[in-house]
Amino acid sequence: SQTIHQWPATLVQPVGSPLSLECTVEGTSNPNLYWYRQAAGRGLQLLFYSVGIGQISSEVPQNLSASRPQDRQFILSSKKLLLSDSGFYLCAWGGDKVLTEAFFGQGTRLTVV
Amino acid sequence: AQTVTQSQPEMSVQEAETVTLSCTYDTSESNYYLFWYKQPPSRQMILVIRQEAYKQQNATENRFSVNFQKAAKSFSLKISDSQLGDTAMYFCALTDSGYALNFGKGTSLLVTP
Repeated sequence: SQTIHQWPATLVQPVGSPLSLECTVEGTSNPNLYWYRQAAGRGLQLLFYSVGIGQISSEVPQNLSASRPQDRQFILSSKKLLLSDSGFYLCAWGGDKVLTEAFFGQGTRLTVV
Repeated sequence: AQTVTQSQPEMSVQEAETVTLSCTYDTSESNYYLFWYKQPPSRQMILVIRQEAYKQQNATENRFSVNFQKAAKSFSLKISDSQLGDTAMYFCALTDSGYALNFGKGTSLLVTP
């Protein structure tokens, strides 16, 4: 069966520091991969999605970036964090090609101080 | 552009009772998928139920069922025999692009003894 791993679970970082959140999927090949952010009291905002290695689509312009160095690995990064980057970050995967459902990791709570 | 609207920020229901959460959406596509996700205090996003737009029959999963009104672009979730473990944020979501889910802002459901 497919599983998705996301780490770390919690992270406290100072303003201006770099960020790297990692997500890996097991039990499937060529998944669509997604990064969502959930700000306090708000819904989920799609940040990036990837349909294949090296293919990244950005939905929201910001100081975050994403990379997909391997088929089942998706990384969210920042060179310099802002206070507004605080939130709950969720990685998700969907089936190959057309998305018919998505499965989520356990999330990372990022607090920028 | 697709939009998903959940007009009930908070709801409460007594244990064993039935509650209905509302969701309306807008899309110009004829083929799309609708979802309800549950996010308990652990923050893990859990798929509750899925509906394919071209299927007339309303989806059901045990105590969870939907009322899908395609012409009205309405997709409500009914939870029967509510349990304390149903306490969570519930998100309605839509995909019509085949690439990503678009979420509503969520409804916080509290089940009371």
